[in-house]
Amino acid sequence: DAKTTQPPSMDCAEGRAANLPCNHSTISGNEYVYWYRQIHSQGPQYIIHGLKNNETNEMASLIITEDRKSSTLILPHATLRDTAVYYCIADSGGSQGNLIFGKGTKLSVKP
Amino acid sequence: SQTIHQWPATLVQPVGSPLSLECTVEGTSNPNLYWYRQAAGRGLQLLFYSVGIGQISSEVPQNLSASRPQDRQFILSSKKLLLSDSGFYLCAWSPLVRLLGSPLHFGNGTRLTVT
Repeated sequence: DAKTTQPPSMDCAEGRAANLPCNHSTISGNEYVYWYRQIHSQGPQYIIHGLKNNETNEMASLIITEDRKSSTLILPHATLRDTAVYYCIADSGGSQGNLIFGKGTKLSVKP
Repeated sequence: SQTIHQWPATLVQPVGSPLSLECTVEGTSNPNLYWYRQAAGRGLQLLFYSVGIGQISSEVPQNLSASRPQDRQFILSSKKLLLSDSGFYLCAWSPLVRLLGSPLHFGNGTRLTVT
């Protein structure tokens, strides 16, 4: 599965949009882009995923560039509860099944 | 809506003791079920997955085993724990096989410390 690169940390003011970038320049055609987040001592929480098209759900929006080499997760109105580590994953669900979470981005939402 | 329950949240066990971690899913039928272990600051290692009752696939040979006695119940076990079994164990489910772009939904995990 493709390796992803994310900034180690970001700050966002409460109520503002949080835009979290992810680079996956070696992504292959059958790999989906997934975003999860994890609050300390809890299991990862699924946020959103996509293959080629931009996606939106009740939690966030996912913007994938046309060449699929990068994506951005957008939390439209960040709250203090959105403070977490966010992981971008390129995954084809291959036979090994391991999820390479990397180090993610520590998002701190500040009042 | 679907929910996943995993217990206990924390567990301290001596070396050589048995282990049983349980996971149940509600609100869905015939889910794909998974056991992962997460090492600190690292990714998730798939231990076992199951596509149906009694069907278990093991990804890594080790001191652990898994069983699926009911459609929505997944159990992780060990007969004799090792120090190296310490870690954060996560149960997850997905509605479809991951090859089809199905996301995983995780439980809150069990922090296991083997002393």
